[in-house]
Amino acid sequence: AQSVTQPDIHITVSEGASLELRCNYSYGATPYLFWYVQSPGQGLQLLLKYFSGDTLVQGIKGFEAEFKRSQSSFNLRKPSVHWSDAAEYFCAVGDWGNQFYFGTGTSLTVIP
Amino acid sequence: DAGVIQSPRHEVTEMGQEVTLRCKPISGHDYLFWYRQTMMRGLELLIYFNNNVPIDDSGMPEDRFSAKMPNASFSTLKIQPSEPRDSAVYFCASSLGDSEAFFGQGTRLTVV
Repeated sequence: AQSVTQPDIHITVSEGASLELRCNYSYGATPYLFWYVQSPGQGLQLLLKYFSGDTLVQGIKGFEAEFKRSQSSFNLRKPSVHWSDAAEYFCAVGDWGNQFYFGTGTSLTVIP
Repeated sequence: DAGVIQSPRHEVTEMGQEVTLRCKPISGHDYLFWYRQTMMRGLELLIYFNNNVPIDDSGMPEDRFSAKMPNASFSTLKIQPSEPRDSAVYFCASSLGDSEAFFGQGTRLTVV
């Protein structure tokens, strides 16, 4: 069965430090992969997506993610975190026309 | 386009009352999704429509929940009767075929 796992429920990083949020998926075929961000009181915003091609995907706000088929992972990274990056981050796998599965989210706290 | 519009943004109701959540998808989108987000279960897909037709409602928790899409520009999610465990943030999202979903800002439901 398809599923998405975000092993880290909560992460705290210092402003300016690098960030990596983990995402592992279980999917029978080549997945469509997404990272969304949800700021307090806001809806979900798409950060980046992977459909095919280059496995290193660039997104908005300086984020990037790398699709590693051998590890069934799609980890989100940012080289230098800003205080405004504090939010909830969701990884998702999609098979448009059928289903769209989310992880349970990782809450990011940024300390000065 | 103003994006996916959900109303109300916040709803507080008493147990046993009927609650109706509303969603206006992005014009031209042919898929509409209803999600529920809770701390315990993360983000769950409740039901989705394609061209106004419900395709998969297996995520609807029980018969108290129902969703309709009478036309391409409007959908409702109804809970009758509501219970405290229904308290959550409910998201609506829409997409055009094989593309990413755009989310509304959500409706925060509190059942007391």
